[in-house]
Amino acid sequence: AQSVAQPEDQVNVAEGNPLTVKCTYSVSGNPYLFWYVQYPNRGLQFLLKYITGDNLVKGSYGFEAEFNKSQTSFHLKKPSALVSDSALYFCAVKDRGSTLGRLYFGRGTQLTVWP
Amino acid sequence: DTAVSQTPKYLVTQMGNDKSIKCEQNLGHDTMYWYKQDSKKFLKIMFSYNNKELIINETVPNRFSPKSPDKAHLNLHINSLELGDSAVYFCASSQDQLNPYEQYFGPGTRLTVT
Repeated sequence: AQSVAQPEDQVNVAEGNPLTVKCTYSVSGNPYLFWYVQYPNRGLQFLLKYITGDNLVKGSYGFEAEFNKSQTSFHLKKPSALVSDSALYFCAVKDRGSTLGRLYFGRGTQLTVWP
Repeated sequence: DTAVSQTPKYLVTQMGNDKSIKCEQNLGHDTMYWYKQDSKKFLKIMFSYNNKELIINETVPNRFSPKSPDKAHLNLHINSLELGDSAVYFCASSQDQLNPYEQYFGPGTRLTVT
């Protein structure tokens, strides 16, 4: 069965500090991995994805994520957080072998960056 | 231009009523989805259509019926609304369902059942 875990409901960081939002996954095959962000009262927006190749993926707004196959993790990172990064972040996984477009989402992590 | 649009944005109705939510995408995508986000922000897929064909039908009450008149539109009709149907419903689309294309989400429809 496919599943995604985001172990932290909430992450708080000071502006200018590095941030990490954690994600681990479980899929029967090899995964495609995604990060989405949701601002208040908005739909989800795509940030970045891992398909193949370099384990470090760069995305929008200065975010990056590192795929670690041995630890089945895909943590989201940013070197220097901004107050405007405060939002709800979702990790998602798609089974590479699936013929459906189904994404399995984590429960979300609320990131708060304070000034 | 809005890529994925939904109407209405807010929907307040009484138990037992029937309501519809409409979704349109102008991205030329083949695949469209309906998600339900509950009060704890948990996101759950409900349905997916690819080129007007139903490909994902999760365990949702049969009071929920999707309809795709063409590949740019995916509507959601809900019969006999219940309190537990209160949630934010998101429509999304992707280029297709086979490849790892990202999904584009609409702004959501906040449904409140009283």
